[in-house]
Order: sequence, then structure tokens, then C-alpha cells
Amino acid sequence: SQQGEEDPQALSIQEGENATMNCSYKTSINNLQWYRQNSGRGLVHLILIRSNEREKHSGRLRVTLDTSKKSSSLLITASRAADTASYFCANNAGNMLTFGGGTRLMVKP
Amino acid sequence: NAGVTQTPKFQVLKTGQSMTLQCAQDMNHEYMSWYRQDPGMGLRLIHYSVGAGITDQGEVPNGYNVSRSTTEDFPLRLLSAAPSQTSVYFCASSYSWEGQPQHFGDGTRLSIL
Repeated sequence: SQQGEEDPQALSIQEGENATMNCSYKTSINNLQWYRQNSGRGLVHLILIRSNEREKHSGRLRVTLDTSKKSSSLLITASRAADTASYFCANNAGNMLTFGGGTRLMVKP
Repeated sequence: NAGVTQTPKFQVLKTGQSMTLQCAQDMNHEYMSWYRQDPGMGLRLIHYSVGAGITDQGEVPNGYNVSRSTTEDFPLRLLSAAPSQTSVYFCASSYSWEGQPQHFGDGTRLSIL
């Protein structure tokens, strides 16, 4: 399997704190994408970072990419209870998108 | 604009039965794909299509067939259901392949007894 790994597998924080999730992958990539999945629902795209980019922001989200280490991180700042969900990274190489195992984030009010 | 629509939402099958999971998108997307998600895990790619008439295998294609006769529809067929195929199945689409975010349906929860 070419699945990457995400760390931590689960994260519990208080509302207002920052949450950081890390993702590692195994192959060279065209881009790396982050998705959110609420319980019982499909995945929702959050942000895409290309292989020639090192950092990208979208609202309270900040994504970094280090291609030399084959790793990426997702930072959610000033978390809210509504951010409670599973977060997945997916690397795009060739014609396929390969997902990591996800980080389950719980934000306590 | 409904996005990606999957039917049915739930299904229970007996071992050996066959069925088709339906996926339709109304965004004129060229790229469509099927994934399965097992408990506590990420998604694994089953089959994908880069356009009408073109399909290819993903990471876990065994036991599944697909076809793409129109841009809008991408059905997934289970040929002879096995308990190992109990999973949640997601269909996704995007405008083109590279560098495009995927739009996901809400999934079909399939149990094989």
C-alpha cells in the first residue's frame, strides 16, 4: 500500500487552542490535499498545496509542505467545537489520490 | 446543483449476491473515482475514470467492476459479494485529474452477511 501516515491518530483539545496534524507520504507527489470528514458524511476538500509550494493559508488553516522530508502539516488556529471531525491528507501522484489513515480531532467547548 | 449523488445510502446483502452502487454528478466533471473506507481507516481507491469510456484500476480493484458510458454516471458493480467487502463506499469527482479538489458523495454503507 502507498498510504501515508498521519500523526497523531487522535487529538483532543479545548476550544480556542490550536490543533496541529502531521502527514507523511512515500512517493514523489504533484500536490498534497487535506480533507475533513464529519461523522457519517463524505469528505470535504479543505486545501491543496502543490509540490513547488512550501506554505499555504486559508482562513484559520495553515498547511506546510516539506518535499525533502515527504511530510506535510495542517494547523487549525483558534479551534471551535464545529472543527470536531476526522482530517485526512491525500497525496496526488500519477493518476491516483492516496489517503492517509486520518487524525480524529475533538474540540471540547 | 446536487453535486455528487450516491444511491442507495444503505444496503445489506447476502454473500454471493451482486449489486450496483450508483454514482451521478451534475458538474460536468471528467474525473470520477470510487473509494472504500473501512472502520478507523482512510480511503482506498478501487477504480477511477478520466473520462467517458475510460476506466482504470486503483489500489483494491478485485471483486469490483466499473464502466463509464456517460460523463455523469459511474456505477460500481459488486460481482459476488463477500463479507470482506463490508465497508462504506464513496464516489468522488473533479473537473480534471491533476491539481483539482475532489467532490465527494455522502457514501453508501454496505453490509455483507
